[in-house]
Amino acid sequence: AQSVTQLDSQVPVFEEAPVELRCNYSSSVSVYLFWYVQYPNQGLQLLLKYLSGSTLVKGINGFEAEFNKSQTSFHLRKPSVHISDTAEYFCAVSGSGGYNKLIFGAGTRLAVHP
Amino acid sequence: GAGVSQSPSNKVTEKGKDVELRCDPISGHTALYWYRQRLGQGLEFLIYFQGNSAPDKSGLPSDRFSAERTGESVSTLTIQRTQQEDSAVYLCASSWGVLAYEQYFGPGTRLTVT
Repeated sequence: AQSVTQLDSQVPVFEEAPVELRCNYSSSVSVYLFWYVQYPNQGLQLLLKYLSGSTLVKGINGFEAEFNKSQTSFHLRKPSVHISDTAEYFCAVSGSGGYNKLIFGAGTRLAVHP
Repeated sequence: GAGVSQSPSNKVTEKGKDVELRCDPISGHTALYWYRQRLGQGLEFLIYFQGNSAPDKSGLPSDRFSAERTGESVSTLTIQRTQQEDSAVYLCASSWGVLAYEQYFGPGTRLTVT
């Protein structure tokens, strides 16, 4: 069975500071990894995904994530955050075979302060 | 173009009543997924459709939950004899096919059972 652990439920940070949101997964098969963002009162939007190839993945809004197979991690980073990045961030995993059923972590609330 | 839409956006119902939630996927998307998001938690997979068949219903919590889909179009999630623990946001997502890795999410239906 697959599972996802987001190690921080809340991350407060000041504007223009760097941020890292941590995600660890467990799976007995090869996985695909995703980060989604949920702005207040909106649906989920895909930030970035890792399917194969380069372990450093760049997404929208200046975010990037690095797939580390040995540590089973897929941490999300941004070098300088903006107030508008305040949102809930979800890490998700799906198996590489069959259909794309997503298993989500509990989410990390990023709060950017001026 | 139009995204995934869901209706109603909010639903308050009394315990024991039946409710029906609707999802309109993006036109042309053959795969459709239902997820549930309880307060402060990540998303739980409920069911997925490929066309109008549902190969995986493993996430449906009980036999009070059912879903159907008309062709490659609208899907309805029905909860019979609602219980307070059914209170959650129900999210629908669609994708081009089961091997398409980007799922497009709707804004969700917030269900409150009193």
